[in-house]
Amino acid sequence: DQQVKQNSPSLSVQEGRISILNCDYTNSMFDYFLWYKKYPAEGPTFLISISSIKDKNEDGRFTVFLNKSAKHLSLHIVPSQPGDSAVYFCAASGGQGAQKLVFGQGTRLTINP
Amino acid sequence: NAGVTQTPKFQVLKTGQSMTLQCAQDMNHEYMSWYRQDPGMGLRLIHYSVGAGITDQGEVPNGYNVSRSTTEDFPLRLLSAAPSQTSVYFCATVNRFYEQYFGPGTRLTVT
Repeated sequence: DQQVKQNSPSLSVQEGRISILNCDYTNSMFDYFLWYKKYPAEGPTFLISISSIKDKNEDGRFTVFLNKSAKHLSLHIVPSQPGDSAVYFCAASGGQGAQKLVFGQGTRLTINP
Repeated sequence: NAGVTQTPKFQVLKTGQSMTLQCAQDMNHEYMSWYRQDPGMGLRLIHYSVGAGITDQGEVPNGYNVSRSTTEDFPLRLLSAAPSQTSVYFCATVNRFYEQYFGPGTRLTVT
């Protein structure tokens, strides 16, 4: 049972344009959501997070939107840069054991010059 | 600060062999965890620890043991390696904002 789903395995975007990565979840107990970025042969690195009491969180070029009624979140990257090419994982936690994250399958983002 | 370190980076085992994957952190975080990453499946939690002397099972604990005698170290033991344990293993710590910091990973192949 995949509680966190990233339905797009890959995404290709032109440099300078907006990249939108999507994530859906099924567990209504989740109340904290995070995005991680992963380069090959490295561990994932934390990018941005959002609590369920908010519907938007912004950090520089990165914005995460949360739609609780649809159980959907998205990560917007504007403008996209070549260094953004990586695999992006969304993750969720909630309830007891909030440190236990459930990850999506990941989306490979490629930024084309 | 080194953050989270893992050794070895690569390992090849034969079926039935045992080994320990090492993880150490210098961030003074209480919470540590082990994940495995397989193609198309994201990261799945194997075991975690909320502090020295306390461990618990995650989503996929079978075939693995952990212990936590100090805040800094959280080794993962494979008791009898199987080809299904071929994967990339990541150790992570968690700060008080639930942000996880991952080590560089150990790529394990079981033949």
